Amino acid sequence: GIQVEQSPPDLILQEGANSTLRCNFSDSVNNLQWFHQNPWGQLINLFYIPSGTKQNGRLSATTVATERYSLLYISSSQTTDSGVYFCAVLENTPLVFGKGTRLSVIA
Amino acid sequence: DAGITQSPRHKVTETGTPVTLRCHQTENHRYMYWYRQDPGHGLRLIHYSYGVKDTDKGEVSDGYSVSRSKTEDFLLTLESATSSQTSVYFCAITEGTDLSYEQYFGPGTRLTVT
Repeated sequence: GIQVEQSPPDLILQEGANSTLRCNFSDSVNNLQWFHQNPWGQLINLFYIPSGTKQNGRLSATTVATERYSLLYISSSQTTDSGVYFCAVLENTPLVFGKGTRLSVIA
Repeated sequence: DAGITQSPRHKVTETGTPVTLRCHQTENHRYMYWYRQDPGHGLRLIHYSYGVKDTDKGEVSDGYSVSRSKTEDFLLTLESATSSQTSVYFCAITEGTDLSYEQYFGPGTRLTVT
């Protein structure tokens, strides 16, 4: 089945710094989503982005479907951005998740 | 939150006992899912449902069964709980069409099997 790889696995940032998280997938996909799991365990939808670019406040995402990757940009990071960021893709079966990027933002 | 609730939110049980987790949704979504989340493994699909009485297995279905007798409820049962089933369990639904949908998660149930 489809493979999803996220990088880096861990990231530590100073508050105010910018970061880029990457998601590579092994085959063409119909859907791609980014989620944030906060330190309390809640899974929050960030973007539904099978292709193109979207922005929501300090976060933006770009998916280049033909090259099989997606990027999540976090600008001017805040401590509330800490947690794990998951990429998930759909081929012909339910969503397949990457193992996530753990982000720690330090004040 | 897409109208998803899970119960109980926390449970401690002993090895060998049966356990049922409930997922309830209020928005008439067709697709519902059960995942487990463990350190080092991320989110793994246990079972999913594509309608009342229509279910299918996921990646880690051994030791679990599901039932969906009403659109709004999707039950996950551990017939005889084992310590390896200690985990956080998430229910999810999808909104949209079969090829273009967005998934939303419930708040999770933390299960500890002693």
